[in-house]
Amino acid sequence: DGGITQSPKYLFRKEGQNVTLSCEQNLNHDAMYWYRQDPGQGLRLIYYSQIVNDFQKGDIAEGYSVSREKKESFPLTVTSAQKNPTAFYLCASGGIDTQYFGPGTRLTVL
Amino acid sequence: AQSVTQPDIHITVSEGASLELRCNYSYGATPYLFWYVQSPGQGLQLLLKYFSGDTLVQGIKGFEAEFKRSQSSFNLRKPSVHWSDAAEYFCAVAPRFMTTDSWGKLQFGAGTQVVVTP
Repeated sequence: DGGITQSPKYLFRKEGQNVTLSCEQNLNHDAMYWYRQDPGQGLRLIYYSQIVNDFQKGDIAEGYSVSREKKESFPLTVTSAQKNPTAFYLCASGGIDTQYFGPGTRLTVL
Repeated sequence: AQSVTQPDIHITVSEGASLELRCNYSYGATPYLFWYVQSPGQGLQLLLKYFSGDTLVQGIKGFEAEFKRSQSSFNLRKPSVHWSDAAEYFCAVAPRFMTTDSWGKLQFGAGTQVVVTP
């Protein structure tokens, strides 16, 4: 089955630690995206990548980093510089006509 | 500034009743328009989209939406709600004329939570 997988589903982190969220897709899409979701704020774009080895900052990139070494994979690192990392993180792939979303990772900072 | 507004944060509807969710946008040129649905703790699923043509768009799960240029609106409707329609609904827009910076970027409204009562 084609789709997007994100792991882990739940993630707990201590303050000051970096953590990496995984996103894999087998839809053969060139473009991939990371969004952050907070209650009452909709989704906000963190980073996006239109092609392998290239990515651009979205609206709220501070405290986050990404890599795009393979077409299928677009991991997101939440660094200790992110002041309020507790949120639901969604990965997506696809073009402007349709973006397909993964099931999300809920990150909680303890 | 470009914006997407969903005026209703929360809507409660009885099963079998009709549902309408509002979405208004502010953009220089009519953007591409989308409605997504999110079940609790899940990702988003595309319900329908409008690019051009007929202003009444049919989607999945019995939903439809109407684009009204004069009102800058793209409201979502369903004639008869089922308990499984309880979810959060997001309106989203993307610029029709894309630059390198704006390519593929969706802008989402804050969402409307729909509760279905028996």
